[in-house]
Amino acid sequence: DAGVTQSPTHLIKTRGQQVTLRCSPKSGHDTVSWYQQALGQGPQFIFQYYEEEERQRGNFPDRFSGHQFPNYSSELNVNALLLGDSALYLCASSWDRGTDTQYFGPGTRLTVL
Amino acid sequence: QKEVEQNSGPLSVPEGAIASLNCTYSDRVSQSFFWYRQYSGKSPELIMSIYSNGDKEDGRFTAQLNKASQYVSLLIRDSQPSDSATYLCAVTISGGYNKLIFGAGTRLAVHP
Repeated sequence: DAGVTQSPTHLIKTRGQQVTLRCSPKSGHDTVSWYQQALGQGPQFIFQYYEEEERQRGNFPDRFSGHQFPNYSSELNVNALLLGDSALYLCASSWDRGTDTQYFGPGTRLTVL
Repeated sequence: QKEVEQNSGPLSVPEGAIASLNCTYSDRVSQSFFWYRQYSGKSPELIMSIYSNGDKEDGRFTAQLNKASQYVSLLIRDSQPSDSATYLCAVTISGGYNKLIFGAGTRLAVHP
C-alpha cells in the first residue's frame, strides 16, 4: 500500500521564479492538504483540496495556488518566489468520509536564493 | 495567544525513563487531537490520535486529553535514544474540514 508521495525532494530557485510541487495521496484517500514548515516551526496550513476544488485556505497570499486532478493527486504552485518562501512543503492526505487523520508525505525542501 | 502551545524544550530524559510532553490549546471547539513525531529533516509521522477525555494507550505511548482544561499530553514509557525527535501536537476544529493546527513542537533528547 503506497503512502503519500511528493516530488521533487529538493528544489533550489531564485527570487521571482515560479515553482510547482507535486503530491500523490495515499491509496484510498481523496483529500489533499498542503502545509508549509519553516525551520524550527510547526507546519502551517496552506489549503486543502477535495473533489478538485479548494475547500479551505489558510493565511497565505494568492501567490500560492493549487490544483487537484481527477486521480486525487495535487499540485502546489508558488509564483514570484520570496526568500521567506524557503521551507519544507508537506502534503498530507486523508479520506473525507473517514476520521480526520492525515498522513504526511516526505516533503519537498524548497530553497529560494 | 497562540492556538496551540508547546514547550520548545529540549526535554532531556535518561534512557528507560518516562518522557512527558505537554500541549495546551485555546479553541474550545477543538475536536480531534494528534501527536506527530518528526525526526530532523524528515516529515511528521503520526503517533497517536485522541478524540475523547481520558487516556489512550498504544504500546509505550499514552495520550491524555482533558478538554475542560484544554490540555493534551503524551507520555513515552521506557524512553529509548531512538525516541529523540521533535514531537508536534496538532488539533482540528469542529467544522474546519480537518485542517490541522500545529504547535511549534517539543524537542526530546533521550540520553543513554
